Amino acid sequence: GAVVSQHPSWVICKSGTSVKIECRSLDFQATTMFWYRQFPKQSLMLMATSNEGSKATYEQGVEKDKFLINHASLTLSTLTVTSAHPEDSSFYICSARDWRHENTGELFFGEGSRLTVL
Amino acid sequence: ILNVEQSPQSLHVQEGDSTNFTCSFPSSNFYALHWYRWETAKSPEALFVMTLNGDEKKKGRISATLNTKEGYSYLYIKGSQPEDSATYLCAFKSGAAGNKLTFGGGTRVLVKP
Repeated sequence: GAVVSQHPSWVICKSGTSVKIECRSLDFQATTMFWYRQFPKQSLMLMATSNEGSKATYEQGVEKDKFLINHASLTLSTLTVTSAHPEDSSFYICSARDWRHENTGELFFGEGSRLTVL
Repeated sequence: ILNVEQSPQSLHVQEGDSTNFTCSFPSSNFYALHWYRWETAKSPEALFVMTLNGDEKKKGRISATLNTKEGYSYLYIKGSQPEDSATYLCAFKSGAAGNKLTFGGGTRVLVKP
């Protein structure tokens, strides 16, 4: 149980285009999902907290108009990188909390998406 | 900004040998310390969630200890096997940070047959 699926696994796009990454909880409902970014040789950095049915909460320094997050259902959150530029090239990974494991607080992660902007 | 450090960044272990590595975190406002195991091309998976000072948890050959007063946790792998090769992440949750986890940079473990 508690499986999170993320797509696409990797994507290459041209500078100026937008890219959408999907994060799905397959066997549980996730009212909250988290989006992280990882640059080479660095740690996972929280970008934003995605809340079902409401606006996402962005971390300091993360542009909300650049990284659009939509959490329209209890099983799907999407991250759209708008007008992508080479500096947005990174590894993006989502995670979710499963209420069945609420006592432990552990997160369940997707497989991650590697974005390369040419 | 919370500072969570892991050391070493990487280590090579001979099959059968035991090893350990460290996660250090702020000693104030502690809520929980998570350990995750992240194999290449897979999703990170939770190993332990630790909340009590002095706690020790074990899963098979892997165990972890927690010292919240001095702000560190050790992860131990006993009798390392090639399948233990992975990046091990720790993540700190502050009592003041809501649901947010702050991750360390990870320790990449390579077990040589």
